[in-house]
Amino acid sequence: QKEVEQNSGPLSVPEGAIASLNCTYSDRGSQSFFWYRQYSGKSPELIMSIYSNGDKEDGRFTAQLNKASQYVSLLIRDSQPSDSATYLCAVNQAGTALIFGKGTTLSVSS
Amino acid sequence: GAVVSQHPSWVICKSGTSVKIECRSLDFQATTMFWYRQFPKQSLMLMATSNEGSKATYEQGVEKDKFLINHASLTLSTLTVTSAHPEDSSFYICSAIASGGAVLYEQYFGPGTRLTVT
Repeated sequence: QKEVEQNSGPLSVPEGAIASLNCTYSDRGSQSFFWYRQYSGKSPELIMSIYSNGDKEDGRFTAQLNKASQYVSLLIRDSQPSDSATYLCAVNQAGTALIFGKGTTLSVSS
Repeated sequence: GAVVSQHPSWVICKSGTSVKIECRSLDFQATTMFWYRQFPKQSLMLMATSNEGSKATYEQGVEKDKFLINHASLTLSTLTVTSAHPEDSSFYICSAIASGGAVLYEQYFGPGTRLTVT
């Protein structure tokens, strides 16, 4: 059974702080790794994708991948109240369906 | 780019009736689309994989005769919930993989369809 594990949270951080979200996955054959943001009642929105070990930065977001440890993380710098949402970690092999974690709820207080 | 639409965005139907949900890739071709279902406060659960021109592949526990999927073109997949019951009430979301290009493996989600069966 392929699984993706995330802490459900809620993770609470003050505005301007760094939010750190973590994810582990069970399938060593996983090739693609994604972070989606989902607001209540809305569908997921892709915010980061990463395919190789190391860091990938995009604006305030940094994704980190360590395939040896089967670990993916997302850092959100200068967190804003608008970042409050559920963050879904997802993995797959090329072209196949995504396997989602249950999501981590982030709350950023102003 | 990479926009996926769904129609309708919400629908209310009576128990026993059928409902069709459309998923379209608006600015790219999608040989593969996926259908997910999400119950309140739960994560997305894959229902089926839809490939253009072939039969859909259903996940274990999903009734293929109840959830009919058709992927007749590279930009359109439909999900028909037949003989709907209140327990089918959920948020149905499709996603599509862009065929070719630099973002081959990224999946883009439609806005979802909220189904309520009374």
